[in-house]
Amino acid sequence: DIQMTQSPSSLSASVGDRVTITCRASLSISNFLHWYQQKSGTAPKLLIYGASSLQSGVPSRFSGSGSGTDFTLTISSLQPEDFATYYCQQSYSTPTFGQGTKVEIK
Amino acid sequence: EVQLVESGGGLVQPGRSLRLSCAVSGFTFGDYAMHWVRQAPGKGPEWVSGINWNSADIAYADSVKGRFTISRDNTKNSLYLQMNSLRTEDTALYYCGKDRTGAIGARRSGIDYWGQGTLVTVSS
Repeated sequence: DIQMTQSPSSLSASVGDRVTITCRASLSISNFLHWYQQKSGTAPKLLIYGASSLQSGVPSRFSGSGSGTDFTLTISSLQPEDFATYYCQQSYSTPTFGQGTKVEIK
Repeated sequence: EVQLVESGGGLVQPGRSLRLSCAVSGFTFGDYAMHWVRQAPGKGPEWVSGINWNSADIAYADSVKGRFTISRDNTKNSLYLQMNSLRTEDTALYYCGKDRTGAIGARRSGIDYWGQGTLVTVSS
């Protein structure tokens, strides 16, 4: 299986901050990489697919980049509703998720 | 409105079986791949199994291979997960999810709709 490693595991940030989360694959996955947001007690929500395509209805402050093994999710200006846990997931082979990055209020 | 509703969870003893169902509405079920994803308490999501639009391509996580079987009935807009030889480590909230595409693994995949989940507890 392809291993997905996210960093950091958690971070503290303030409203208005620019936040960057990294996901690294154990081997090249082209751009078969997707990002999700999960809030407590709810199912994950798809934010980005194909490494950089914004899912319909998702605010434009979210963006994704990368290809191969290294990927980034960026929130350009953190909003109160963005405090959540974020996961990457690859679909290049048998799908796997990263371990998550928890974004907390500073 | 897209809806996915899971059912069939419950408390079961180790070694026993359980069958989960997912009833969908609001989209053309037969056009899309579907997935089962589980989440143990306090843990991240774990992909369990996926099936493409016409059941020709099926995949499983190593942790469930040989014990779980995914299937779908496009005439009934339903997805299923037969879980045999259950273990305590299978305890989790099980979600069904719709893929953006008809394939399990595609460049433009991603699970764009999720159910509310059904809880499976494996304990003696």
